[in-house]
Amino acid sequence: DVKVTQSSRYLVKRTGEKVFLECVQDMDHENMFWYRQDPGLGLRLIYFSYDVKMKEKGDIPEGYSVSREKKERFSLILESASTNQTSMYLCASSLLFGLPAGELFFGEGSRLTVL
Amino acid sequence: SQQGEEDPQALSIQEGENATMNCSYKTSINNLQWYRQNSGRGLVHLILIRSNEREKHSGRLRVTLDTSKKSSSLLITASRAADTASYFCATDAVNAGGTSYGKLTFGQGTILTVHP
Repeated sequence: DVKVTQSSRYLVKRTGEKVFLECVQDMDHENMFWYRQDPGLGLRLIYFSYDVKMKEKGDIPEGYSVSREKKERFSLILESASTNQTSMYLCASSLLFGLPAGELFFGEGSRLTVL
Repeated sequence: SQQGEEDPQALSIQEGENATMNCSYKTSINNLQWYRQNSGRGLVHLILIRSNEREKHSGRLRVTLDTSKKSSSLLITASRAADTASYFCATDAVNAGGTSYGKLTFGQGTILTVHP
């Protein structure tokens, strides 16, 4: 079974802190994604990556950056956390790039609270 | 902008009844997918229907796709209390080159509650 593991289920940070959210997948998937989920807004794509060191902006990249140094790991970085970044963050992976988007495999989510 | 919009936002039914959720989208798609999310957890893929398919079944799930109306429906038959969850549609839009952007756009979801 594909497993997508997010390093922290719950985090509480202070405004201005640098926050790292880590995601690891164990099935050699090419594509990895970071979404945030907010009530009434559904899931919104922040960034995605289709290869090591490659990244593409999603719909709401402002205030975030990402890093993909290894194929299995995709990190989301909040350089200076703000209260409006309080949210549930979901990492996902999928098998291949260059084809119609296939099934996404999600992690359990990281609930971030910024005080 | 949101590509998929689910309707209704919330649905409450009794065990044994059927549940129908609808999804509308705005642009041409390669495929449409449905996902389920239990409270506070990640999403789990349920079913994928391609743009050239009209209907697909998986167990108690039936998905239809009408590309002329840009809409899809998810039917859960003989619902159970364990089906209580949020359900999301997600679309893989066709880009200007006629292929895929390689990403899914999700709707806001339908919250389904099945009472025992």
